[in-house]
Amino acid sequence: QITLKESGPALVRPTQTLTLTCTFSGFSLSSSGVSVAWIRQPPGKALEWLALIYWDDDKRFSPSLKSRLTITKDTSKNQVVLIMTSMDPVDTATYYCAHKRVHDFDIWGQGTMVTVSS
Amino acid sequence: QSVLTQPRSVSGSPGQSVTISCTGTSSDVGGYDYVSWYQQHPGKAPKLIIYDVSKRPSGVPDRFSGSKSGNTASLTISGLQVDDEADYYCCSYAGGYWVFGGGTKLTVL
Repeated sequence: QITLKESGPALVRPTQTLTLTCTFSGFSLSSSGVSVAWIRQPPGKALEWLALIYWDDDKRFSPSLKSRLTITKDTSKNQVVLIMTSMDPVDTATYYCAHKRVHDFDIWGQGTMVTVSS
Repeated sequence: QSVLTQPRSVSGSPGQSVTISCTGTSSDVGGYDYVSWYQQHPGKAPKLIIYDVSKRPSGVPDRFSGSKSGNTASLTISGLQVDDEADYYCCSYAGGYWVFGGGTKLTVL
């Protein structure tokens, strides 16, 4: 059974850097074909795909946010970390991590709400 | 503003059918058969209900079906049930990254 859970700060100040961790079980990020994505959703708004990391450390980013994002993995800890710099109030959202199959996201974490405010 | 365009809301009565459209471009929806659909109830994480345009994951009722024509994908829900009331999002592979639609609120009257 695949599960994922996001963790990180609930409040971030404007201009600060956000670091989120996705801890998962039920699969290994060292297995061929496996990948984990980050997706966010501002309150009352739509989902927005952010980034993805593959088992072979290949990485993909949203073109509009690429300059602000870093994604890494720690296969020994079964974790994926997303780092977003220069946080702004418009980045206030629930951040989800999700297991990717071929071209869809079949299992999602419960999400973690991040508020950007001074 | 989302990359893929969906109607903001649709509605139907129990037992009826509704269709939700998702319009993109030849760089995403029209260029790949990798459209997926997600159902999201309030306060919950999204749930995959359709992948690869028209395939259903195990456990998803066959009342949910997907299709695509050109740059527009569609989700049809037949035999509407009260529990189908939720937000629905389309998603498409766009060549190295993924894009979501703006979401559609389905109201079951």
